[in-house]
Amino acid sequence: NAGVTQTPKFQVLKTGQSMTLQCAQDMNHNSMYWYRQDPGMGLRLIYYSASEGTTDKGEVPNGYNVSRLNKREFSLRLESAAPSQTSVYFCASRRQGIEEYFGPGTRLTVT
Amino acid sequence: SQKIEQNSEALNIQEGKTATLTCNYTNYSPAYLQWYRQDPGRGPVFLLLIRENEKEKRKERLKVTFDTTLKQSLFHITASQPADSATYLCALVRVLGNEKLTFGTGTRLTIIP
Repeated sequence: NAGVTQTPKFQVLKTGQSMTLQCAQDMNHNSMYWYRQDPGMGLRLIYYSASEGTTDKGEVPNGYNVSRLNKREFSLRLESAAPSQTSVYFCASRRQGIEEYFGPGTRLTVT
Repeated sequence: SQKIEQNSEALNIQEGKTATLTCNYTNYSPAYLQWYRQDPGRGPVFLLLIRENEKEKRKERLKVTFDTTLKQSLFHITASQPADSATYLCALVRVLGNEKLTFGTGTRLTIIP
């Protein structure tokens, strides 16, 4: 099992550009999550999907959109990137009541 | 909203000693609490889960306690080793069935040989 995979690993964007971060899991988990991690702020939830076909906002959803394409895949889109979105982005998946499995992260810089 | 504080940003412990990390929360009592380890440049990795009706959980050299009166969890690593150096995160789930995790900011633990 590959677990949770994320692409790309690194990305540099100019302000105003758009991009989609991809996430896939092969553990048959229902729930999937997108977090951002900034120094001194910890992990903050952007969006989550409790099951295929549903998505909900987390703590910091502004400037982002998500798509739960199927049970395996959950993508995060930045429509118009801003320097404040420079961060490390983690995708995670989980079965109910069990631990979360995290991907390796995407390091995004917006100039 | 729930606020989670981990005792310090950084903690240095001599090899062989017990490292104790603290996680304090305000407001509601969580349904359960988890501890994760994160190494530089990597995603967090799950270590232990403790439920609100449990006082203590152990796994090898790791021990977690949960005191709902003090609103506090303690995470212990006994016989610490340099390989235990990492950032440790606590995370809470408020309600079973609505299982969004709220994370603390983490404690960076360094085990000094």
